[in-house]
Amino acid sequence: QKEVEQDPGPLSVPEGAIVSLNCTYSNSAFQYFMWYRQYSRKGPELLMYTYSSGNKEDGRFTAQVDKSSKYISLFIRDSQPSDSATYLCAMSTSGTYKYIFGTGTRLKVLA
Amino acid sequence: NAGVTQTPKFQVLKTGQSMTLQCAQDMNHNSMYWYRQDPGMGLRLIYYSASEGTTDKGEVPNGYNVSRLNKREFSLRLESAAPSQTSVYFCASLASGRVTDTQYFGPGTRLTVL
Repeated sequence: QKEVEQDPGPLSVPEGAIVSLNCTYSNSAFQYFMWYRQYSRKGPELLMYTYSSGNKEDGRFTAQVDKSSKYISLFIRDSQPSDSATYLCAMSTSGTYKYIFGTGTRLKVLA
Repeated sequence: NAGVTQTPKFQVLKTGQSMTLQCAQDMNHNSMYWYRQDPGMGLRLIYYSASEGTTDKGEVPNGYNVSRLNKREFSLRLESAAPSQTSVYFCASLASGRVTDTQYFGPGTRLTVL
């Protein structure tokens, strides 16, 4: 079993929809949870960063961590065609700079 | 401010050939990383360097060597390329020292081994 599981998609939604992207993990020591966005043929870029449990909001994006269920989510409100990309979750334990990435979910927002 | 740069952008090798992938960052970051990205496998850590003069193995180090030449540069060497090393390679850097640090990625090198 992989430490981090992520549905690869692809996920197609109409413009304006609310998108929910998810990852599950098995290592209860993970404390830091990140979401990266990767456009085609580009390097990943950090979108959201959450420490431990709870929610974090940044504009149209909300990151949610449920440590009891070992489950993290990224919600995108009012999705736009420019949100079409692959979204990768990543996790790290306290005191280490090693990050474990999910496989990524490919999202397509249709105009 | 260029961020993280990688050369070359594309490369085709024959089995058994060697090559070095170059990475440089101009953000004065301490930590640098090499990842490979394969379909269905996500990003996997090959090697990382927490600071100048130190390197450590990641999840998939076999077949690779690294050199942290100075604080700016971190190279990845394939001594004898194999078709299984066909992948997209990303270099990344991290300032380190704070829990809110952001990892910055380069544009990637697309490598094909025939």
